[in-house]
Amino acid sequence: AQSVAQPEDQVNVAEGNPLTVKCTYSVSGNPYLFWYVQYPNRGLQFLLKYITGDNLVKGSYGFEAEFNKSQTSFHLKKPSALVSDSALYFCAVRGLNAGNMLTFGGGTRLMVKP
Amino acid sequence: EAGVAQSPRYKIIEKRQSVAFWCNPISGHATLYWYQQILGQGPKLLIQFQNNGVVDDSQLPKDRFSAERLKGVDSTLKIQPAKLEDSAVYLCASSLPTRNEQFFGPGTRLTVL
Repeated sequence: AQSVAQPEDQVNVAEGNPLTVKCTYSVSGNPYLFWYVQYPNRGLQFLLKYITGDNLVKGSYGFEAEFNKSQTSFHLKKPSALVSDSALYFCAVRGLNAGNMLTFGGGTRLMVKP
Repeated sequence: EAGVAQSPRYKIIEKRQSVAFWCNPISGHATLYWYQQILGQGPKLLIQFQNNGVVDDSQLPKDRFSAERLKGVDSTLKIQPAKLEDSAVYLCASSLPTRNEQFFGPGTRLTVL
């Protein structure tokens, strides 16, 4: 069975500082990994994905994520946080044999303070 | 490009009543998903359609939940009868068969009293 862990319920960061939102996963075979963001009363918006290739993936709104196979991690990062980045972030994984079924983590609330 | 549409946005019902949600995916997206997102948790897949066929419904509580996608486009998700623990946001998503990212609608927030 595939699973995702987001160990932090909330991450607080000052505007302009770098941010990291952590994600670890468990899956059979090579993973497909995703980050989504959810703003209040909105659906999830796709940020970025890792399928294969370069371990550093760049996505929307200046976000990037680093795939680390040995640590089974896929942490989301941004060099300089904005107040508008404050939202709920979800990591998701799909195994090779799982159709297109995504398993989501529990989410991490990012709070960026001015 | 228009996104995934869902209606209604909010619904409040009494337990044991029935409720239905509607989803219209992005044009051309053959794969459609229904997720349940309980407050404070990540979305959980209920059912996945490929065109009008069911690919995965292993997590759908079939004694009370049903879903259909008769013409391979729009889909409806029904709960009959509803329980208190069904209170959640029901998200619809769609994707192209050859792509991995899913695109989500705004969701329907269901409150069962």
